[in-house]
Order: sequence, then C-alpha cells, then structure tokens
Amino acid sequence: DTEVTQTPKHLVMGMTNKKSLKCEQHMGHRAMYWYKQKAKKPPELMFVYSYEKLSINESVPSRFSPECPNSSLLNLHLHALQPEDSALYLCASNLDRGLTGELFFGEGSRLTVL
Amino acid sequence: GESVGLHLPTLSVQEGDNSIINCAYSNSASDYFIWYKQESGKGPQFIIDIRSNMDKRQGQRVTVLLNKTVKHLSLQIAATQPGDSAVYFCAYDVAGGTSYGKLTFGQGTILTVHP
Repeated sequence: DTEVTQTPKHLVMGMTNKKSLKCEQHMGHRAMYWYKQKAKKPPELMFVYSYEKLSINESVPSRFSPECPNSSLLNLHLHALQPEDSALYLCASNLDRGLTGELFFGEGSRLTVL
Repeated sequence: GESVGLHLPTLSVQEGDNSIINCAYSNSASDYFIWYKQESGKGPQFIIDIRSNMDKRQGQRVTVLLNKTVKHLSLQIAATQPGDSAVYFCAYDVAGGTSYGKLTFGQGTILTVHP
C-alpha cells in the first residue's frame, strides 16, 4: 500500500461552518504534512507532524487546526474560514522528517469557502 | 533569501521530442532535490530525486542533472509522450538546516505535449 488517502475530495463550506479534512496512510510513515495549493501555484507547507507531534507550524492562522490522532491519521479542522482560504489542501507523508526522501502526496481536498 | 525558481513557465513540445525543464535555486546549502509531476486535479507525483553529492541521475525516460556551481537543476524527459503533459515542480530540502523537514517548491513549468 503506497497511498495517501484524503477525504473528502471536494468540500464547500460557509464562513461560519466547522468542517474537517482527513488524511490516512498505512505505509508506516512517521512524518505527515499539510500543504496548501492555490490555482497555478506551487504547494506551500502549512504543518509538519513528526511521530504524532506537531513539529512545524508555518505561521498558519488559528482557524486551521491540525490534529494527529495516531501515526496513520492526520486531520485538519477548519473553522471560520475566509473565501481566500479556498484552495487544494494536500496531505503528504514520508518515513521520517529527519530523513530526506520522497514525499508521498494524496490527491488533495479541494475546498471552496463561500 | 531562499528561492527555487524556473526559467520557463511553459514548454510546448511535439510527441517524440525530448523535453528539458530547468530550475534555479539560490541556497548553496541545499543538498537534496526532487522533481514532481502534477496532473490536473491530482496531487504531486514523485518523478526522480538527486542528492548534492551527485551530478546526474537517470530513471526511466528521465534524467536529472545538477550543477552546483551555478545552482541549477534540470529534468530531461526523453521521447516525450502526451501523457507527460502536466505541471512539473522542482523542490528541495535542506536537511539539517533551518528548513529541517520542509520541502520548498519552485513555481512550476507547464509542459504540453502535442500529438
């Protein structure tokens, strides 16, 4: 199993809603990442979890709240988002953030904030 | 500051031609480089990587060249096929430095292959 699975694939929410994005991998990877990608732009790092602990927060607004319940799961809780937060949210994983190596990406969750 | 950039934002080639996608980086401490392919509506897909102790690495139909002197990276695709049409990103990770665990992406090149 070499997949990173993200759900939902598409999400539309209002600015007062609370929703969550989910990511799952069963490759035994201990580092998991959230990236944000706007149209025609490269992915931008948001958060890094290493061994289920948050190790990097790229100054992301608090309306985005990550959670890593266990080594296979990564969530991104969304609350009071703005229309400019509409983007493709990509989850990725690799064996260990301390080891350079291929990041495996999911297909992304396309978020639209109305 | 650190930057990873591309010389050409778009590249259009005929099927069967060879394609070369370029990438410039500014941090001489960079020691690991990756090329990703991203098709429309999909996540980035790993193509090939190279470490700074190497100048060249070959995969299936792809070759990555690294010139540390001028801080330049290129991806060569042999016998380009319509299925190669995608956005190509270079990225780097400075292991052990302040970007420990991070992957920084270049701006991307749109490759279009015409049948």
